[in-house]
Amino acid sequence: DVKVTQSSRYLVKRTGEKVFLECVQDMDHENMFWYRQDPGLGLRLIYFSYDVKMKEKGDIPEGYSVSREKKERFSLILESASTNQTSMYLCASRPQGSPSYEQYFGPGTRLTVT
Amino acid sequence: GNSVTQMEGPVTLSEEAFLTINCTYTATGYPSLFWYVQYPGEGLQLLLKATKADDKGSNKGFEATYRKETTSFHLEKGSVQVSDSAVYFCALEYSSASKIIFGSGTRLSIRP
Repeated sequence: DVKVTQSSRYLVKRTGEKVFLECVQDMDHENMFWYRQDPGLGLRLIYFSYDVKMKEKGDIPEGYSVSREKKERFSLILESASTNQTSMYLCASRPQGSPSYEQYFGPGTRLTVT
Repeated sequence: GNSVTQMEGPVTLSEEAFLTINCTYTATGYPSLFWYVQYPGEGLQLLLKATKADDKGSNKGFEATYRKETTSFHLEKGSVQVSDSAVYFCALEYSSASKIIFGSGTRLSIRP
């Protein structure tokens, strides 16, 4: 079974802190994604990576950066956390190739910024 | 641009009722279409998919048919169970990119 794990289920941080969210997948997938999920807005893509050290901006990259030094690990960084970044963050991975391949999701990290 | 519109929730039904969750899309070309489900406290998982017009995806008693003429991919189930309570997301992926566009999600609650 494909497994995508995220470092924390719940996280509370203060405004201005630098926050790291970690995601690890064990199926050698090339593509990895970070989304945020907010009520009524569905999932919005923050960044994605199609290979080690490669990244592309999604729809809402402002205030975020990412790092992919190893194929299995994709990190989301909030450079200076703000209250409007309070959200559920979901990581996903997928093999390269056909657009019909499904994405495999981690359980999510609920981040609260106070 | 490409987008997905699905019916707003929450939807509340009694057990064994018939379910329809509407989904329409706007896309250039021929996207693949998906339904993902998110059970309480979990990440999303693929429920079913269809990759070309007139394809029918099915899984766990759920079905959806890719209708190009109406740009729709409505989710149906003949008899829902309490365990089907979850949030359902319609999504599309177009071949020119590796990104999926999700709808806003529909929360479904089934009462015994």
